[in-house]
Amino acid sequence: GAVVSQHPSRVICKSGTSVKIECRSLDFQATTMFWYRQFPKQSLMLMATSNEGSKATYEQGVEKDKFLINHASLTLSTLTVTSAHPEDSSFYICSARDPYAGEKLFFGSGTQLSVL
Amino acid sequence: DQQVKQNSPSLSVQEGRISILNCDYTNSMFDYFLWYKKYPAEGPTFLISISSIKDKNEDGRFTVFLNKSAKHLSLHIVPSQPGDSAVYFCAASGTIGNTPLVFGKGTRLSVIA
Repeated sequence: GAVVSQHPSRVICKSGTSVKIECRSLDFQATTMFWYRQFPKQSLMLMATSNEGSKATYEQGVEKDKFLINHASLTLSTLTVTSAHPEDSSFYICSARDPYAGEKLFFGSGTQLSVL
Repeated sequence: DQQVKQNSPSLSVQEGRISILNCDYTNSMFDYFLWYKKYPAEGPTFLISISSIKDKNEDGRFTVFLNKSAKHLSLHIVPSQPGDSAVYFCAASGTIGNTPLVFGKGTRLSVIA
């Protein structure tokens, strides 16, 4: 199946710093990527839809100034957590749909963010 | 407002027996359903899916059943194996196209040897 690569897999940072997470589609082009967040024992919650060449669409309750999304090419989307706080600690996962693989979403391996 | 519900947070099954994971949805506009398997600290991996025009889809040991009138689907794994132990997420999509999936909270399956 299609491959979505996500880096880093784990990051620990101090409160107040910014963290960038990269999501790449390795063998297909993705005009749209989706960013999810998962808290322990909770579901995958959609944060935002990343659109290549245009602004991201954020879900209700997600601060766009805090979670900056850039989708500058058809294979790369980045999520930057700005001025991170301990409550931002979570598992962040990106996903994309291969246009030739139907409705399936392919997921990256996720990034575990821990803010001290 | 949870549109996709997995009411059983956990399930334990003996190796070799059948595992049945259930999922209910409330949005009648959903027309495509998927099951994902997830290990800790990893992204979900696609398992099996079903379109609303079908009521059953089978792939090896995995079968998904859809009851549209009841807005209910289930994933059957038979025979269950210890390697099947993971969290299983039910997901739904409203329209064909580039839209996100809506996920349930997941069911943790433990297959006991």
